[in-house]
Amino acid sequence: NAGVMQNPRHLVRRRGQEARLRCSPVKGHSHVYWYRQLPEEGLKFMVYLQKENIIDESGMPKERFSAEFPKEGPSILRIQQVVRGDSAAYFCASSRQGESNQPQHFGDGTRLSIL
Amino acid sequence: GQNIDQPTEMTATEGAIVQINCTYQTSGFNGLFWYQQHAGEAPTFLSYNVLDGLEEKGRFSSFLSRSKGYSYLLLKELQMKDSASYLCAVRDNYGQNFVFGPGTRLSVLP
Repeated sequence: NAGVMQNPRHLVRRRGQEARLRCSPVKGHSHVYWYRQLPEEGLKFMVYLQKENIIDESGMPKERFSAEFPKEGPSILRIQQVVRGDSAAYFCASSRQGESNQPQHFGDGTRLSIL
Repeated sequence: GQNIDQPTEMTATEGAIVQINCTYQTSGFNGLFWYQQHAGEAPTFLSYNVLDGLEEKGRFSSFLSRSKGYSYLLLKELQMKDSASYLCAVRDNYGQNFVFGPGTRLSVLP
């Protein structure tokens, strides 16, 4: 009964490189959410996806950031041309469809460090 | 707009009771969730309220008043391991999106 799996746990990139963060939701969950968290701060919503559809991307920066949740495979958060300010923990969460009392289940996060 | 407020930090003594408040103003409401997050770890689900009143789960209880846009998390018989951040989150009406508060960092002292 695997939970949300995120990889890698830690990712180091140099300025200008690309970062790819992967998230496999709980089996049977069709909703995926990405959040960003700076040290000692709250979770900032980035994007909400269902299979093959972006439902709400109001928290995503307009440039360099993109997300997908294909029919097969994990959800991917992609950050192009990374800058120092992208250093943060990125958490993925998943939930079931149609059950409003179901909480989100979180992965352990990916800690992104930009050199 | 969406706005959720919580105190930034709280301190309490081992064995005591602490109440963490959360006020919200959201464009819709379809339930309120409390999560616990230890430093460097993932948030874990604690409780859910959708109707007014108190939900009790062992040492933790959560209260909701929809008319006041207010909830609290009550922690009894505090233990050192309860030192963590506590996040309040509201699920909106229009999809299944969640809006998180800034979190309250609780320190439990011996």
